[in-house]
Amino acid sequence: QQQVKQSPQSLIVQKGGISIINCAYENTAFDYFPWYQQFPGKGPALLIAIRPDVSEKKEGRFTISFNKSAKQFSLHIMDSQPGDSATYFCAATDQTGANNLFFGTGTRLTVIP
Amino acid sequence: DTAVSQTPKYLVTQMGNDKSIKCEQNLGHDTMYWYKQDSKKFLKIMFSYNNKELIINETVPNRFSPKSPDKAHLNLHINSLELGDSAVYFCASSQEWAVYGYTFGSGTRLTVV
Repeated sequence: QQQVKQSPQSLIVQKGGISIINCAYENTAFDYFPWYQQFPGKGPALLIAIRPDVSEKKEGRFTISFNKSAKQFSLHIMDSQPGDSATYFCAATDQTGANNLFFGTGTRLTVIP
Repeated sequence: DTAVSQTPKYLVTQMGNDKSIKCEQNLGHDTMYWYKQDSKKFLKIMFSYNNKELIINETVPNRFSPKSPDKAHLNLHINSLELGDSAVYFCASSQEWAVYGYTFGSGTRLTVV
């Protein structure tokens, strides 16, 4: 059972464009939503995260938009660069018990020059 | 000064063999995890462990077992390897159960032939 659904599976964006990746969840107990960035041959690395008490969080060119009522959140990458080419994972957890992160299925982003 | 290190990086072995993957973290974290990433990049929790509690994902075959000689190490033992075990295995750590502090290793690519 997929706890977090992510789309699209792959995304190609021109340099300077906006990359948008969407995620949805069902478990209303989830209260922490991080995004991870993974380069080939590397482990996932935390990029940015949000809690449901805010609707948006921005860090540099990366912004998370959060819609609690729709149970959806998205990652926006502004002014996308070739160096942003990687696989992006959304995740969620309810921070109880073992606080396991439930990951989305990943989006492979390619930014072309 | 790698934060979470895994060895080996690549492991090729025959079906039926028993193998181990080692993981060490020098972050002083209390909790360690093992994740499996399949060929479609899907990340799935296998184990969560701190010095008090081991939580096992019920879908993990009992051929897989974590062993923790001390707080800084969580090794993964796999018995009677099967073709379907081929994947990339990631170790991660965090402070207590704090998911916002997840740090991943670079992964071990296991290929069973």
